[in-house]
Amino acid sequence: GNSVTQMEGPVTLSEEAFLTINCTYTATGYPSLFWYVQYPGEGLQLLLKATKADDKGSNKGFEATYRKETTSFHLEKGSVQVSDSAVYFCALSTGYSTLTFGKGTMLLVSP
Amino acid sequence: GAGVSQSPSNKVTEKGKDVELRCDPISGHTALYWYRQSLGQGLEFLIYFQGNSAPDKSGLPSDRFSAERTGGSVSTLTIQRTQQEDSAVYLCASLGGDRGWDGYTFGSGTRLTVV
Repeated sequence: GNSVTQMEGPVTLSEEAFLTINCTYTATGYPSLFWYVQYPGEGLQLLLKATKADDKGSNKGFEATYRKETTSFHLEKGSVQVSDSAVYFCALSTGYSTLTFGKGTMLLVSP
Repeated sequence: GAGVSQSPSNKVTEKGKDVELRCDPISGHTALYWYRQSLGQGLEFLIYFQGNSAPDKSGLPSDRFSAERTGGSVSTLTIQRTQQEDSAVYLCASLGGDRGWDGYTFGSGTRLTVV
């Protein structure tokens, strides 16, 4: 079956630090890959996506590259801000749009 | 409506009681999904509707859980004889239109606490 494994948090960084949140997956077929973000008190929002191997998704300074050879989709940002503090979920889909999520990684950015 | 609306936003219930959670998707979205978000467990898929039918109910954790969708719009998730392990945030999402994955929209959820 499908599964997503992402690094446990919380990840604690100072403002302007470099961020990496690791995500690896197991899937049948060729999945689409996603990062969702959940800000405190809000619903999940799509942050970025990649639908085929070697695609790079990017948004708001975040980016992730679909690596089929390593079954990974690591999230990176060169310089985090306090406003990036949230929970980040890696997810995949191989079918009719049902998403399989990782457990989420909390990011805490201090000034 | 402009977004996916869920009600109530918070629900506290006694163990053994039944609860109903409501999801009002974006108007015109044909697909509707229920997920459960538990502390430390991430998000689990529960059930998927296409129109009023549910091709995939595989994520429902037990026969105490059921869901229906009427008129291709509002959906209700019912949990009978609630247990403490049912405490979680229940999220609804809908998908439709021509925006592809960018149109997959989540509600803010219902936080269920079983005491």
